[in-house]
Amino acid sequence: NAGVTQTPKFRVLKTGQSMTLLCAQDMNHEYMYWYRQDPGMGLRLIHYSVGEGTTAKGEVPDGYNVSRLKKQNFLLGLESAAPSQTSVYFCASSYSGGLRDYEQYFGPGTRLTVT
Amino acid sequence: DAKTTQPPSMDCAEGRAANLPCNHSTISGNEYVYWYRQIHSQGPQYIIHGLKNNETNEMASLIITEDRKSSTLILPHATLRDTAVYYCIVRVEYNNNDMRFGAGTRLTVKP
Repeated sequence: NAGVTQTPKFRVLKTGQSMTLLCAQDMNHEYMYWYRQDPGMGLRLIHYSVGEGTTAKGEVPDGYNVSRLKKQNFLLGLESAAPSQTSVYFCASSYSGGLRDYEQYFGPGTRLTVT
Repeated sequence: DAKTTQPPSMDCAEGRAANLPCNHSTISGNEYVYWYRQIHSQGPQYIIHGLKNNETNEMASLIITEDRKSSTLILPHATLRDTAVYYCIVRVEYNNNDMRFGAGTRLTVKP
């Protein structure tokens, strides 16, 4: 059981470049989430998904897109990276509402730097 | 969602109980209190949650005041590995996927 994995672990982008972060979970969780964490701050929710084929906006969705084509994968895309998107990105997953959805399982994070 | 207020940092001696306070004076009747922690730069880890009764699990105890306006997370015998940032979060259970993490409390356990 690998839990939640994230690819890549580190990445450096130039302003304007695009990239996709991959999150995978093997716990058969319905819900998946993408957060960002800036230095010295707590996590902020970017987008989330309550099931395959569904996505919804979180607190800070601008500049990001997501897709959930398979239940086990949740992709976060940056179409045109900006320095303000330099951050650590965490993916998480949980059971669906009513079934222990209080416990989110987090991945190890992706450290992204945009120059 | 109700906002929470936590002290930015606290110290605790190894082997002693660590008591981490959280103020959530605007909490509503159907909002739960959750605690997560983040060790170094790892992803956060769930600790415990509760509505109005005190809760205990293998990691910690959660004491919620009768008026529910504040709570305390208790680590009964802190170890050096408990050094982390602890987040107190309030949200409606079920059908609410927006977990708002504040800045948390940085707990340092000292030998």
